[in-house]
Amino acid sequence: EADIYQTPRYLVIGTGKKITLECSQTMGHDKMYWYQQDPGMELHLIHYSYGVNSTEKGDLSSESTVSRIRTEHFPLTLESARPSHTSQYLCASSDGNTGELFFGEGSRLTVL
Amino acid sequence: GEDVEQSLFLSVREGDSSVINCTYTDSSSTYLYWYKQEPGAGLQLLTYIFSNMDMKQDQRLTVLLNKKDKHLSLRIADTQTGDSAIYFCAESIPQGSQGNLIFGKGTKLSVKP
Repeated sequence: EADIYQTPRYLVIGTGKKITLECSQTMGHDKMYWYQQDPGMELHLIHYSYGVNSTEKGDLSSESTVSRIRTEHFPLTLESARPSHTSQYLCASSDGNTGELFFGEGSRLTVL
Repeated sequence: GEDVEQSLFLSVREGDSSVINCTYTDSSSTYLYWYKQEPGAGLQLLTYIFSNMDMKQDQRLTVLLNKKDKHLSLRIADTQTGDSAIYFCAESIPQGSQGNLIFGKGTKLSVKP
């Protein structure tokens, strides 16, 4: 069982609010990722990190930002949420050996 | 660039076998994976196969890899209603590239009683 946790699981907020989605893992993995998942299922990589103080944008442009101050923690922030940000956000980590990704349960964000 | 293709839907009857197919483009992929996503949850690794293997069996699951055709399949024997989920095929990409895996769009498996 993977030790990677996301909070909140569900969030409904109004337009213009600032939100932070939390992601923590206790496996000591250096690599962490954020995916955005469409209602139609497709996964899009929006951010990744290969270690502390390293963050990169993924292949889908996102207005969100991330930080990696500690190995175990990789929060994602939206400064001003909009309805177009409504989606499921999945956090994952990897030990870099087999390439296997361990996923959190996801945070489902709805912006009204 | 790298791409992973899989059909979007599959419907089977309980007790039948399910076969989910996937094609990928990067011949240098070291590992290929099958992930399962149940409603409202994250992805869970079902199984993976190393690129120098042709087949891997794990209880009801059989993975077949045709490296020449870049074709990967997942067979679920005696499919149960609890197998209803979305199944993602993924390939590993070289170290140093962005991200770690390239995912397909997912195949939604529906199991009818």
